[in-house]
Amino acid sequence: EDKVVQSPLSLVVHEGDTVTLNCSYEVTNFRSLLWYKQEKKAPTFLFMLTSSGIEKKSGRLSSILDKKELFSILNITATQTGDSAVYLCAPGYGGATNKLIFGTGTLLAVQP
Amino acid sequence: DADVTQTPRNRITKTGKRIMLECSQTKGHDRMYWYRQDPGLGLRLIYYSFDVKDINKGEISDGYSVSRQAQAKFSLSLESAIPNQTALYFCATSDVTSGIRNEQFFGPGTRLTVL
Repeated sequence: EDKVVQSPLSLVVHEGDTVTLNCSYEVTNFRSLLWYKQEKKAPTFLFMLTSSGIEKKSGRLSSILDKKELFSILNITATQTGDSAVYLCAPGYGGATNKLIFGTGTLLAVQP
Repeated sequence: DADVTQTPRNRITKTGKRIMLECSQTKGHDRMYWYRQDPGLGLRLIYYSFDVKDINKGEISDGYSVSRQAQAKFSLSLESAIPNQTALYFCATSDVTSGIRNEQFFGPGTRLTVL
């Protein structure tokens, strides 16, 4: 059965802290792994990872994939209150069917 | 203008009523999806469509049906709504020409409450 597990479920930090969010997965015909940020609305795309060991970066956010150990991490450095959101991990699977399976997310709260 | 729109944004209905949620997109994408989101359960796939003639069930299709009226329109129907269908519903699109890319673009969501 395809599954995605994210940890921690929730996290409270102070501005300026660095956080690491974890995602482990087991899916059939894995294609890629996507990270989304969800505030009080629709998920918005952050990263797509397809190869192991290649870090993707966007400002203070970075992510890396380990296809052998079947996990990914999302790092956020120098956190800001605007980073408060639910972060969703979504492996793409099923070959050409282009489907995503979503984890339940990590709720990050950044306090001033 | 939003690329993926959903109507209505909020709906309260009663058990047994038929409800239709609509999704439109201007991104020109071939693939469209319907998800529901529940607290603690994440986003779960209800139906997906790769073109107007292609409809596929997702992991939780029971109690739902869909219609792909055009490339840009994908509707979700609840034939006889029940309270456990109370959830946040998202439509999403993706581009078949993007190859390995699985990126999906989400609409703003419809909050449905079934009393």
